[in-house]
Order: sequence, then C-alpha cells, then structure tokens
Amino acid sequence: KQEVTQIPAALSVPEGENLVLNCSFTDSAIYNLQWFRQDPGKGLTSLLLIQSSQREQTSGRLNASLDKSSGRSTLYIAASQPGDSATYLCAVNGVSGTYKYIFGTGTRLKVLA
Amino acid sequence: SQTIHQWPATLVQPVGSPLSLECTVEGTSNPNLYWYRQAAGRGLQLLFYSVGIGQISSEVPQNLSASRPQDRQFILSSKKLLLSDSGFYLCAWSRNRGGTEAFFGQGTRLTVV
Repeated sequence: KQEVTQIPAALSVPEGENLVLNCSFTDSAIYNLQWFRQDPGKGLTSLLLIQSSQREQTSGRLNASLDKSSGRSTLYIAASQPGDSATYLCAVNGVSGTYKYIFGTGTRLKVLA
Repeated sequence: SQTIHQWPATLVQPVGSPLSLECTVEGTSNPNLYWYRQAAGRGLQLLFYSVGIGQISSEVPQNLSASRPQDRQFILSSKKLLLSDSGFYLCAWSRNRGGTEAFFGQGTRLTVV
C-alpha cells in the first residue's frame, strides 16, 4: 500500500529564507509526483508536476526534484515571501497501475514579514 | 481551457438528511474524476474515482456513494448523513491516461449538525 509522508508538518520562517519541504513515498512504481498549494478553506492549486522519468521541474522561485528509486521528492522555495504562507501537499499518481493520486498530510508553512 | 465547477461551496445539513454534491468539468472529454475528503487537520482521503461513465471505484467503505451519469459530471451522495461525514469535499479531474496533472475544484465545506 502506497504511503506518502511529508516532513516537517509545520514550518515558520522569516521572510527571505530559502526553504526545503520533503515528501517521501513507499512504492516507487509511480507515473508522476505533483506538488500543490492549499490556502485555508480553499481548493488545491497545482504548483509543479514531475514525471517519473524526470529529475526536477522549476517554476519561478519553486524547484521540485524527484528521486524515484529512493522514494523522495523535495520542494525548494527560494527567497520566501509572506504570500507563500499556505499548506503544501505532495501527491503520487499511478498507485498499483491505477490513476489514483495519493496525498501526503502536508506541510503548513508560515512566512513572517 | 479546462475548468472544474463544484457546488455548493458550503452546506449545513442535519444528521439523517440526504446529500448530493455535484462536480462538472468543462473543456475536456473522457476525464478521470475523483472525490476526496479532507477532515479537519488531516490529509486528503480518496473516496471515489471514475475512469468513465458508470465506472466508479470506491476506496473506503463508508456512508457515501458516487455516480457518473454523464461524461463530465460526478456526483457524491448519501441517503442519510452522519456527524462523521462532516469535512471538506474536493472534486478533481485529470486526463484519462497516466502521468498527467490533476486539477481541483474549490471544494464544499459540509457540516453535519
């Protein structure tokens, strides 16, 4: 059974710091891994999608890496801003050959001005 | 472009009452469709997913059911709500093949009283 874990569960940092959020998964047979952002009471916004054949993806100040063999992904946020405050979720797709997306429990980020 | 609509945004229902949440996707055909629930302070739990009309996979035994009467319509239902059905319900879609991005609706906050 695929299990997805995110560390840390919560993080509070001053503005301007570079951050690393971690995601690990137990079954490496996945199609892709996706990072999302969730603001309080809102739906999920897709940030980055990494295919199983890729090592990393970048979008603006965000960089996500994937090491499928070790079951790990990291989301790097450069020069954090208060507007980055949100919960960040990772999800793996392709569990047991299906199109299911299995989520981690998220990292709640607060960036202090 | 593709859009996903989910309604209502909030709902307060008494215990024992029926439930119907609707989700529709525009701008694509034959999508994979998903229902997730997010309980307070917890991760996203996959409830149902569908790869086509009338094809529903249930992930957890529960008081809920799902139907897909049309290609781009996904409905979450209950005949009699329980207090434990309270939560944030999210609908999502992806293209009908592996390795694609998932997109989420804005969610429905259900409170059972």
